[in-house]
Amino acid sequence: NAGVTQTPKFQVLKTGQSMTLQCAQDMNHNSMYWYRQDPGMGLRLIYYSASEGTTDKGEVPNGYNVSRLNKREFSLRLESAAPSQTSVYFCASSGYHNSNQPQHFGDGTRLSIL
Amino acid sequence: AQKVTQAQTEISVVEKEDVTLDCVYETRDTTYYLFWYKQPPSGELVFLIRRNSFDEQNEISGRYSWNFQKSTSSFNFTITASQVVDSAVYFCALSGGGSNYKLTFGKGTLLTVNP
Repeated sequence: NAGVTQTPKFQVLKTGQSMTLQCAQDMNHNSMYWYRQDPGMGLRLIYYSASEGTTDKGEVPNGYNVSRLNKREFSLRLESAAPSQTSVYFCASSGYHNSNQPQHFGDGTRLSIL
Repeated sequence: AQKVTQAQTEISVVEKEDVTLDCVYETRDTTYYLFWYKQPPSGELVFLIRRNSFDEQNEISGRYSWNFQKSTSSFNFTITASQVVDSAVYFCALSGGGSNYKLTFGKGTLLTVNP
């Protein structure tokens, strides 16, 4: 019962380094999402992919890029990491990009940028 | 614009007490959906419940119950006879209807259940 798998679980970067966070789901879901979670802020949507081949900006997209590699995989890239991007990143998926579909989350990636 | 307010930042109770987590939402949509998620200390996010705006029936699942009241724009969550394993951050979330989908989370309530 893998569900949504994120790699890596932890990462430390230096300012200016690049990094790609990987996400894969095995539930045959159409839609996938990337969020960041910061203390006292809840979860904020970075980017989402309503279906394979499409991506759209969320609430806080600046400094990030995404790739929907195929139906299973959705990666998040930091081209030039900044300390403000220190956060816990969650990938999620849902059956359809439809508001009544619950999202299922991965275990998160803790990213620290020095 | 959508907004979810969880006014209780932290709650601490003793095991076996009942506890209610408040959630108040704002939306202009007539069709919308409300969710609760649990984030235990291990960090993962666990889906608990979904409720649509047309269904105001309360729901009970074991020790968990949810009270949805459109008149007060609230979707509160009650844990009866709390247990230490209930200790977690609980998030309320809202999404609108139609194609303009966006899931908006509250800032969460940290529940600590002490033995």
